[in-house]
Amino acid sequence: GENVEQHPSTLSVQEGDSAVIKCTYSDSASNYFPWYKQELGKGPQLIIDIRSNVGEKKDQRIAVTLNKTAKHFSLHITETQPEDSAVYFCAGGSQGNLIFGKGTKLSVKP
Amino acid sequence: DSGVTQTPKHLITATGQRVTLRCSPRSGDLSVYWYQQSLDQGLQFLIQYYNGEERAKGNILERFSAQQFPDLHSELNLSSLELGDSALYFCASSVDGRQETQYFGPGTRLLVL
Repeated sequence: GENVEQHPSTLSVQEGDSAVIKCTYSDSASNYFPWYKQELGKGPQLIIDIRSNVGEKKDQRIAVTLNKTAKHFSLHITETQPEDSAVYFCAGGSQGNLIFGKGTKLSVKP
Repeated sequence: DSGVTQTPKHLITATGQRVTLRCSPRSGDLSVYWYQQSLDQGLQFLIQYYNGEERAKGNILERFSAQQFPDLHSELNLSSLELGDSALYFCASSVDGRQETQYFGPGTRLLVL
């Protein structure tokens, strides 16, 4: 079955720097890759997603890239702010079924 | 606010007991998913329903069961509870359950003592 690995597990950056989180997946049939942000005490919130027919997608300070050949995708956050501090999850799947990575705890220091 | 509601927010119970967690999907969404989140296991998919029918099963224990009712709300029943069942339980919903974005509720925190 599908397996999604996410790195790093923790990431600390200075405010204003960029942050990059990487994920790899095993099932070549996976065609949908969302990223979720989870703040303490809340449910995961979708921040961006990408489908397999697209290589890159951007939304303001957030971008996601997908390399289908290498089966990996990445989240890029530019100009990080303290409110970006949270746990970020990648996921991959198809037909509505998602497998989640184990999460990256991002800390943005003011 | 995702539009997905879950009750209760917190639940404390004892080993061997049975509890029911409730989820109401976003208006218009037909598919409901249940996930378990524990510290060492991340988000584990348990089960998916679409329009009242079970569509997919993940790592759901036999002690756990779920159903989706005609009004599309869903309940997750956890029985013979063990200490290891302590976790956050999330419900998510999507429009039709195929390649669609899943929107998560705020979760139910279960503590088994």
